[in-house]
Amino acid sequence: DIVMTQSPDSLAVSLGERATINCKSSQTVLHSSNNKNYVGWYQQKPGQPPKLLIFWTSTRKFGIPDRFSGSGSGTNFTLTISGLQAEDVAIYYCQQYYTTPPTFGQGTKLEIK
Amino acid sequence: EVHLVESGGGLIKPGGSLRLSCAASGFLFSDYTMNWVRQTPGKGLEWVSIISSFSDRIYYGDSVKGRFTISRDNAKNSLFLHMNSLRPEDTAMYYCARHNDSSGEDYWGQGTLVTVSS
Repeated sequence: DIVMTQSPDSLAVSLGERATINCKSSQTVLHSSNNKNYVGWYQQKPGQPPKLLIFWTSTRKFGIPDRFSGSGSGTNFTLTISGLQAEDVAIYYCQQYYTTPPTFGQGTKLEIK
Repeated sequence: EVHLVESGGGLIKPGGSLRLSCAASGFLFSDYTMNWVRQTPGKGLEWVSIISSFSDRIYYGDSVKGRFTISRDNAKNSLFLHMNSLRPEDTAMYYCARHNDSSGEDYWGQGTLVTVSS
């Protein structure tokens, strides 16, 4: 199985500042057919299910604010939240869906400093 | 609007069985592969099982293989998870999630809680 490792485990950022979460895959998640890395990012708030924010490394799901952005290549991927808002407090997970089983990172807890 | 509603969770003794259901609406259910994903209290996400749109491809996570069975009824827009030989470590919130080949698990239900305890 592909292992997804996130860093840091927790993060405290001031309102309006930038939050950066990293994710490393244990092997490639690049689909040769379309040259896309099959990495997604999810947000989970307390008492709620995970919510898809970004897929194919950097494509925002419809309706997701543009302060959320994803990047990466090879085995290193990043979620960036620019201009942190109070409503962004949550746990964030990366996921690879390149192979079955799809696997998730361990999560990064984002708080307000 | 896509809606997934799980049911069937509850308190069950070790060794017992339970059947979870997921009612889908707002999309053509038979067009999509579906998943079960679980989350232990305060912990991360663990994929459990996946079933293709016409049930021809089914996979299980190692921790549930041989004990859990995934199935679906496209005529009733429903997904199921039959869980046998339940163990305390199966205690978790169980989510059904729609799988999109392009975007991963793009919609999730609110989950149903399974507690395995004597």
